[in-house]
Amino acid sequence: DVKVTQSSRYLVKRTGEKVFLECVQDMDHENMFWYRQDPGLGLRLIYFSYDVKMKEKGDIPEGYSVSREKKERFSLILESASTNQTSMYLCASGRGYTFGSGTRLTVV
Amino acid sequence: TQLLEQSPQFLSIQEGENLTVYCNSSSVFSSLQWYRQEPGEGPVLLVTVVTGGEVKKLKRLTFQFGDARKDSSLHITAAQPGDTGLYLCAGVQGTYKYIFGTGTRLKVLA
Repeated sequence: DVKVTQSSRYLVKRTGEKVFLECVQDMDHENMFWYRQDPGLGLRLIYFSYDVKMKEKGDIPEGYSVSREKKERFSLILESASTNQTSMYLCASGRGYTFGSGTRLTVV
Repeated sequence: TQLLEQSPQFLSIQEGENLTVYCNSSSVFSSLQWYRQEPGEGPVLLVTVVTGGEVKKLKRLTFQFGDARKDSSLHITAAQPGDTGLYLCAGVQGTYKYIFGTGTRLKVLA
């Protein structure tokens, strides 16, 4: 089975901190995605990547950046965390998406 | 951000009952996917429907794609507590654009 692993299940960070969320997939997928999930708003696409070192903005990229130095790893970076970035972050890969288990981030 | 409208938002039923969840949009999709998400986990892909009017069955779950490829339904027969979860539909446009529904939270009581 395809596995998508997110490095942390729960994170608590302070306002202004730089936050790194890591995602690793083991099936050689070209496409990888970062979403955030909020009640009533569904899943919203932050960034995606279709190849190493390639990235595209999704619907809500403000306050985020990404890095894809290796095919299997896609990192989401919160440059200066804010309380409105408290959310569930989900990484996905492939076309029939395989999602990771998610990282619940709380910014205090 | 464009969203797919799902109805109902919440559903609480007794074990053994049947139910239908709807996913509607004014946009046309090349395909549509259904996912189930359990608390604290990421969504898991259940099915992808591609052709207008297509019907797919997964045990007690029946998925249908609308003829015009703008809507879809999920029917569960004889629901069981293990069906409890958040059901999400996702319409696919092009290669990378997935539009997710607002979700239906189902609880099946034993």
